Amino acid sequence: DVQLVESGGGLVKPGGSLRLSCAASGFTFSHYNLNWVRRAPGKGLEWVSSISTDGRYIYYADSVKGRFTMSRDNADNSLYLQMNSLRSDDTAVYYCARDFSYGADAFDIWGQGTLVTVSS
Amino acid sequence: EIVLTQSPDFQSVTPGEKVTITCRASQSIGTSLHWYQQKANQSPKLLIRFASQSISGVPSRFSGGGSGTDFTLTINGLEAEDAAAYFCHQSTRFPFTFGPGTKVEIK
Repeated sequence: DVQLVESGGGLVKPGGSLRLSCAASGFTFSHYNLNWVRRAPGKGLEWVSSISTDGRYIYYADSVKGRFTMSRDNADNSLYLQMNSLRSDDTAVYYCARDFSYGADAFDIWGQGTLVTVSS
Repeated sequence: EIVLTQSPDFQSVTPGEKVTITCRASQSIGTSLHWYQQKANQSPKLLIRFASQSISGVPSRFSGGGSGTDFTLTINGLEAEDAAAYFCHQSTRFPFTFGPGTKVEIK
């Protein structure tokens, strides 16, 4: 089965750091652009970051630029999101998602999500 | 940044009725507009890509249309299992953006 599984969420104090992971299986990981999307409580979906197949091109939402770093390990079929200087408004369920095909496309496979709570 | 607006915010619908959700982009995005369904406590699910392309496994009652700045998602013959939030998403340029969502409730 094609699958993405996130991990690494939890409770962290404002100003703290957290590293999310996303493990992929069932498809050729290195052939797909990947993304992080979050949904804060009571809010809609928010795109966070995208990375190209080889990791050379990475894009961020203004709300996380300079604080979050997205990376991937194609040898290990893994995606990461390093989150620093966390704020209360970063509290959300974070999803990793795969592009449908090469190029800027819809997100066809989503993980189950991991909850990040930023609170003192 | 391309801003997406959706209408209505909320709709309460009787099973069997037709539902139309509109997504408007702040500038032309061609057909780089996609639709997702998210049920409570579940991950988003892709319904339609590039405005009108159907997705394998998605019921045929879901259809999409539009181009440029105005897009629609139509549910022909709403079923009880369609209670969810629906989001549009543009991938024409970064930053990618999502619409604020439309919540569909079953009467």
